[in-house]
Amino acid sequence: DSGVTQTPKHLITATGQRVTLRCSPRSGDLSVYWYQQSLDQGLQFLIQYYNGEERAKGNILERFSAQQFPDLHSELNLSSLELGDSALYFCASSVVRESSGELFFGEGSRLTVL
Amino acid sequence: AQKVTQAQTEISVVEKEDVTLDCVYETRDTTYYLFWYKQPPSGELVFLIRRNSFDEQNEISGRYSWNFQKSTSSFNFTITASQVVDSAVYFCALISWGAQKLVFGQGTRLTINP
Repeated sequence: DSGVTQTPKHLITATGQRVTLRCSPRSGDLSVYWYQQSLDQGLQFLIQYYNGEERAKGNILERFSAQQFPDLHSELNLSSLELGDSALYFCASSVVRESSGELFFGEGSRLTVL
Repeated sequence: AQKVTQAQTEISVVEKEDVTLDCVYETRDTTYYLFWYKQPPSGELVFLIRRNSFDEQNEISGRYSWNFQKSTSSFNFTITASQVVDSAVYFCALISWGAQKLVFGQGTRLTINP
């Protein structure tokens, strides 16, 4: 158990819909990262937050947004969903701001868009 | 640009055999970090090891060992006396100091047959 909690574990929805994925980092970790894992793209970095502020942005679509709240939990919002958004979405956390630290990953949220 | 190549897409061996997973990386930075993660069938990503670019000492942890060679830009992972529980997808990853994202290889699916 990494200490990172993600909900929901599984989500099935239809194209055009909007979903929110939630992540609670390990106690004491200030950085939260979101990654997308798909069969064709592999593991892709989406976005990082550090202590409530966006720190780094990767291959995140404009239809996607995220935020980190004062209690340090984070939410990833995916809107106008398309079939290609079906993937496993991971949240990871670390103590440090820099990404060179060890990342602790949650179990992921598997999104299926029909 | 950073890149990680895991040329072996799938490996299948019989239990108790030794197996080596290859990882070749590319970066122009002198300070960087290399990682191995394990993704068992349950889906979570489990941290195995982190190595910085200034530490070329090989590391052994039980049946696991890692061979880091800067001269060939490789960070290979060997499992000795493999067991069925070692079956998983293994990812090698790289990040340069100050970079924004951890770059993953495409992963190697390892199957240990009884």
